[in-house]
Amino acid sequence: AQSVAQPEDQVNVAEGNPLTVKCTYSVSGNPYLFWYVQYPNRGLQFLLKYITGDNLVKGSYGFEAEFNKSQTSFHLKKPSALVSDSALYFCAVRDIYNFNKFYFGSGTKLNVKP
Amino acid sequence: DGGITQSPKYLFRKEGQNVTLSCEQNLNHDAMYWYRQDPGQGLRLIYYSQIVNDFQKGDIAEGYSVSREKKESFPLTVTSAQKNPTAFYLCASIGGYNEQFFGPGTRLTVL
Repeated sequence: AQSVAQPEDQVNVAEGNPLTVKCTYSVSGNPYLFWYVQYPNRGLQFLLKYITGDNLVKGSYGFEAEFNKSQTSFHLKKPSALVSDSALYFCAVRDIYNFNKFYFGSGTKLNVKP
Repeated sequence: DGGITQSPKYLFRKEGQNVTLSCEQNLNHDAMYWYRQDPGQGLRLIYYSQIVNDFQKGDIAEGYSVSREKKESFPLTVTSAQKNPTAFYLCASIGGYNEQFFGPGTRLTVL
């Protein structure tokens, strides 16, 4: 079965410090991986994706993610957190057998304190 | 949220009542989706449609129904058979091998 896991329900970080939100995947083959952000009572916004190529993917709002095949991970990172980054973050993987299906992690709440 | 609209933003349902959530997109996307989001949980797929007049059940389709008569529209009906419908409902669409675009969501509450 294909899936992603976000092992942390919540991540707390001080403003200006680097942040990491973790995601691991289980896919038999080359994964298509995504990160989304959700602000309260809003839809999800796309941040970045890994399809192929460079393992370090850069996305919106200064976020980046590193694809690590040996560790089956796709952690979201930002060098310097902002209070406005506080939100719910979701990792997702595309079904490689049915390209129109996606599997989402349970979400990680990021709290950035001033 | 650009390109996908959902209405209403808030919806209240009485016990035993069917309600329909609207989802419209102007992105010319073929595939559309309905997800349910509950507090502390990820997104769970209710139904998806890859093309007009065709749709497939997701992981939690019981108590829900959909139609796809037009490419732009994918309404979701929450029937009285859905025993615990209070949740945040998200519609999404996708074009090709890209990321999904999400609507702003509808919050449904059972009175």
